[in-house]
Amino acid sequence: DAMVIQNPRYQVTQFGKPVTLSCSQTLNHNVMYWYQQKSSQAPKLLFHYYDKDFNNEADTPDNFQSRRPNTSFCFLDIRSPGLGDAAMYLCATSRGGLGGEQYFGPGTRLTVT
Amino acid sequence: AQSVTQLDSQVPVFEEAPVELRCNYSSSVSVYLFWYVQYPNQGLQLLLKYLSGSTLVKGINGFEAEFNKSQTSFHLRKPSVHISDTAEYFCAVSSAAAGNKLTFGGGTRVLVKP
Repeated sequence: DAMVIQNPRYQVTQFGKPVTLSCSQTLNHNVMYWYQQKSSQAPKLLFHYYDKDFNNEADTPDNFQSRRPNTSFCFLDIRSPGLGDAAMYLCATSRGGLGGEQYFGPGTRLTVT
Repeated sequence: AQSVTQLDSQVPVFEEAPVELRCNYSSSVSVYLFWYVQYPNQGLQLLLKYLSGSTLVKGINGFEAEFNKSQTSFHLRKPSVHISDTAEYFCAVSSAAAGNKLTFGGGTRVLVKP
């Protein structure tokens, strides 16, 4: 089945230790998104790629970066995680175009100790 | 700018009873509307969407929603809920003016009681 895969599902990192979360898709979608979701809150968009074009949200901290080496893969790098970065990180994809729905992965729950 | 308000943060409901989750949006342009469901420790799954045409939209798992342009609402309904419908529900809006990005409401937690 076509899907969005996130690895790992659970990640524990230490305060200040860089961490990378990965997302892959078999849907061949143009657009890939990274969201941060804290407990009992709505997902918050961090950035997205339309093909190779990177689009950063204005309020995304510089501590968060992303790479998309090819259509299928996208990575979220957190350079120096703080306690406030503990959250669920969701990857999503869409075809692009008006009204396109987003397909979400299962998420990676990040714990910062 | 577009925004979404989900009027109820929590909705307790008994099994086999009907449920309605309220969603109001604000936008100065034409919008596309979505309802997503999120089960614990999982990603979001699309329940249904409104792009154009008939204002009554049917989705998966017996859910439906009605687009009301004059009231800028997109309320979600299910005539008879199951225990398995216990989850968080998010209403979302997108538009060409917002670069097709989703803006989510704050979510409604549905707790189905036996």
